[in-house]
Amino acid sequence: AQKVTQAQTEISVVEKEDVTLDCVYETRDTTYYLFWYKQPPSGELVFLIRRNSFDEQNEISGRYSWNFQKSTSSFNFTITASQVVDSAVYFCALSEVGTGGFKTIFGAGTRLFVKA
Amino acid sequence: EAGVAQSPRYKIIEKRQSVAFWCNPISGHATLYWYQQILGQGPKLLIQFQNNGVVDDSQLPKDRFSAERLKGVDSTLKIQPAKLEDSAVYLCASAGRADTQYFGPGTRLTVL
Repeated sequence: AQKVTQAQTEISVVEKEDVTLDCVYETRDTTYYLFWYKQPPSGELVFLIRRNSFDEQNEISGRYSWNFQKSTSSFNFTITASQVVDSAVYFCALSEVGTGGFKTIFGAGTRLFVKA
Repeated sequence: EAGVAQSPRYKIIEKRQSVAFWCNPISGHATLYWYQQILGQGPKLLIQFQNNGVVDDSQLPKDRFSAERLKGVDSTLKIQPAKLEDSAVYLCASAGRADTQYFGPGTRLTVL
């Protein structure tokens, strides 16, 4: 069964702190994709990163980094030196390749508050 | 490149009324999705189109919800009749390769 768990409902940090958002997934497929999206207060979901199941290399993009570990079925997201503009809801998502195309499921999201 | 367009942005209706939402995906994207996002929750897939064919509508309440994608481009999602529990944001997304989905701004529906 396909499942994405974001155990942290809300996180509050002070600006310049580092913060890690956890994502644990379940899938029986060997080929799948993992995503992170940001949903700022304006409401539009913004794509941050896509990772396929065969690429466990960690990725860094500016202050953002992602740690993909198949052994623990986790795809965690770290923001270094957080800023107020990082305040948003962050969603982790899993896509499996099905017969009719990709089937995607989203986690419940983690709301991040960054205080000045 | 233009993003995913949706209209209207906001809609307030009374229960038992009908409502329709429109989505124009990113040009060239074959896959189009409609999601329902209830406050405080993640998006839940309602229906997925590949060109103008339905790939997955297993979570679409077909007694009241319908969707179509004419000519494999624009799509409309309709609710008839609306219930109070349909109050949510309705998100449209489109995808090109590898299911990287790009989302529109959403339509916030309030059912009174």
